[in-house]
Amino acid sequence: GIQVEQSPPDLILQEGANSTLRCNFSDSVNNLQWFHQNPWGQLINLFYIPSGTKQNGRLSATTVATERYSLLYISSSQTTDSGVYFCAEPYSGGGADGLTFGKGTHLIIQP
Amino acid sequence: NAGVTQTPKFRVLKTGQSMTLLCAQDMNHEYMYWYRQDPGMGLRLIHYSVGEGTTAKGEVPDGYNVSRLKKQNFLLGLESAAPSQTSVYFCASSYRRGPRGYIQYFGAGTRLSVL
Repeated sequence: GIQVEQSPPDLILQEGANSTLRCNFSDSVNNLQWFHQNPWGQLINLFYIPSGTKQNGRLSATTVATERYSLLYISSSQTTDSGVYFCAEPYSGGGADGLTFGKGTHLIIQP
Repeated sequence: NAGVTQTPKFRVLKTGQSMTLLCAQDMNHEYMYWYRQDPGMGLRLIHYSVGEGTTAKGEVPDGYNVSRLKKQNFLLGLESAAPSQTSVYFCASSYRRGPRGYIQYFGAGTRLSVL
């Protein structure tokens, strides 16, 4: 199946800073999703972004499917942005299956 | 609108005991999934279902069974729990139709400890 690598694994920033998280994939990207897992464990879908760029408030994401990577940008970080960010792609690369997740980027925003 | 609801939220089992985790969704989604999350890891797919009465194996299916007797419910069973099954279990569902049909919605998780 597809392999997903996320970087950096850990990131500590001061409130107000900007950050870029990256996902690399071993195979074609068709239905990429970004998730945020808050400190209480809840997983929230941030973006469904198989290609191109999308923005939602202070967050934006870009997927370059031909080069098999995706970037998540967080601007003007707030303490509520803390948590783990995952990218994921369907298990069999666009089939009917579940998602293959990266190991995540653990983000800590300090006040 | 509750979305995806998992019960129970926490459970402690002894080795060899059995239990069933319940997942219920009220979004009329076709597809449902069970994942497990271990410390420092992303989620891994255990089993999934593409519709009522159907189930299929995911990446780590051993030691688990599932059933989807009703469209809105997806059950995950552990017949003889082992310490290696200590984990946080997440259920998810997706509509799987239309351009955004792959988006998955997750429950709050079940934290299971097997002693």
